[in-house]
Amino acid sequence: DIQLTQSPSFLSASVGDRVTITCRASQGISSYLAWYQQTPGKAPKLLIYAASTLQSGVPSRFSGSGSGTEFTLTISSLQPEDFATYFCQRVNSPPLTFGGGTKVEIK
Amino acid sequence: EVQLLESGGGLVQPGGSLRLSCAVSGFTFSDHYIDWVRQAPGKGLEWVGLSRNKANSYTIEYAASVKGRFIISRDDSNNSLYLQMNSLKTEDTAVYYCTRHKNYAFDFWGQGTMVTVSS
Repeated sequence: DIQLTQSPSFLSASVGDRVTITCRASQGISSYLAWYQQTPGKAPKLLIYAASTLQSGVPSRFSGSGSGTEFTLTISSLQPEDFATYFCQRVNSPPLTFGGGTKVEIK
Repeated sequence: EVQLLESGGGLVQPGGSLRLSCAVSGFTFSDHYIDWVRQAPGKGLEWVGLSRNKANSYTIEYAASVKGRFIISRDDSNNSLYLQMNSLKTEDTAVYYCTRHKNYAFDFWGQGTMVTVSS
């Protein structure tokens, strides 16, 4: 099965910082990658699909890029409501594996 | 408004069974894949399985960790998806979410239902 490795698993940042999270696939998955945000006690929320397409209603400070085996999620200017855990997911064919997650905390 | 609502969680002993339900509204159920995803306490997300849509003959896929123990079914007349969980193990303890699967992503999620497997 294809594995997804997210890095870092934890990062500490300040409001206004530019933040980049990486997701690496063990085999190529074209652009079949999605990104989610999850805050404590809540269901995940879709941010990005098809590696770089912003889900409707998601702020434009979020962006995604990459294809094949390396993908990034970038938050251009971190806002207080962005402190959360972020997951990537391969979505091409089952099993639809998630990455291990990246927790973004306030510095 | 798209909504998914899980129910049926609770406490069950190891080796026992439980059936979760996911009631959906706000979209044409038969047109969409629906997936189950779980999250153990303090852990990441784990895909459990999916039910494809009518156009894809309602075929079903499972994660290796649950294959042979869990059964996904759907009832389009009730706009509901089900997860029958048998031979439960302590490691099945998690919040279980149902989610709509569209454009190669999970765009709407339920609030989740907690399943605890413990003696």
